Amino acid sequence: KAGVTQTPRYLIKTRGQQVTLSCSPISGHRSVSWYQQTPGQGLQFLFEYFSETQRNKGNFPGRFSGRQFSNSRSEMNVSTLELGDSALYLCASSLPGIHTEAFFGQGTRLTVV
Amino acid sequence: AQSVTQLGSHVSVSEGALVLLRCNYSSSVPPYLFWYVQYPNQGLQLLLKYTSAATLVKGINGFEAEFKKSETSFHLTKPSAHMSDAAEYFCAVSVPKTQGGSEKLVFGKGTKLTVNP
Repeated sequence: KAGVTQTPRYLIKTRGQQVTLSCSPISGHRSVSWYQQTPGQGLQFLFEYFSETQRNKGNFPGRFSGRQFSNSRSEMNVSTLELGDSALYLCASSLPGIHTEAFFGQGTRLTVV
Repeated sequence: AQSVTQLGSHVSVSEGALVLLRCNYSSSVPPYLFWYVQYPNQGLQLLLKYTSAATLVKGINGFEAEFKKSETSFHLTKPSAHMSDAAEYFCAVSVPKTQGGSEKLVFGKGTKLTVNP
């Protein structure tokens, strides 16, 4: 069974640009969540999607957005990149239901220069 | 608000020694707690989870954790450390949204485990 796939693995962008990250969940998983990991702030929840609807959102500015497609694949977009957006972005998928296990991808390492 | 606190950002043990990684939680409702491990340049892998079925939870790779309500703790242990256990470990609590059937994981800051030969 294939795991959660995130592409690309590494990205280098310039301040002011925008970026789109992709996440393909495990087959059958309809819930997809995104997390940002930085040395200073640790792991922080960005948002969660289920059946193409955003159900939950963390405390991030509106520059951070996402969407989910009918096949459960998800993308997140960051516009007007800032140096502080440099981070490892992790996607997790899970089966429907609460307290189910979240399976994480390997992440996308974004560097903003 | 539900949260977790991991005591000790770095823990160093000798190979074969006991591993003890500390996690304390704060929750106004019965918590659902998790331990994840992250190897360098990798995502997170679930080690074990507590869902109120049993207070002693056994996970993968010989790890286990005991839920102690009186101490609001969920410490992770392994009797004998192996070199391959060197990684960063995260304790997390599942926080449900009041409406909408959604939830999120709130993580501790992590503990980096070093295993010395």
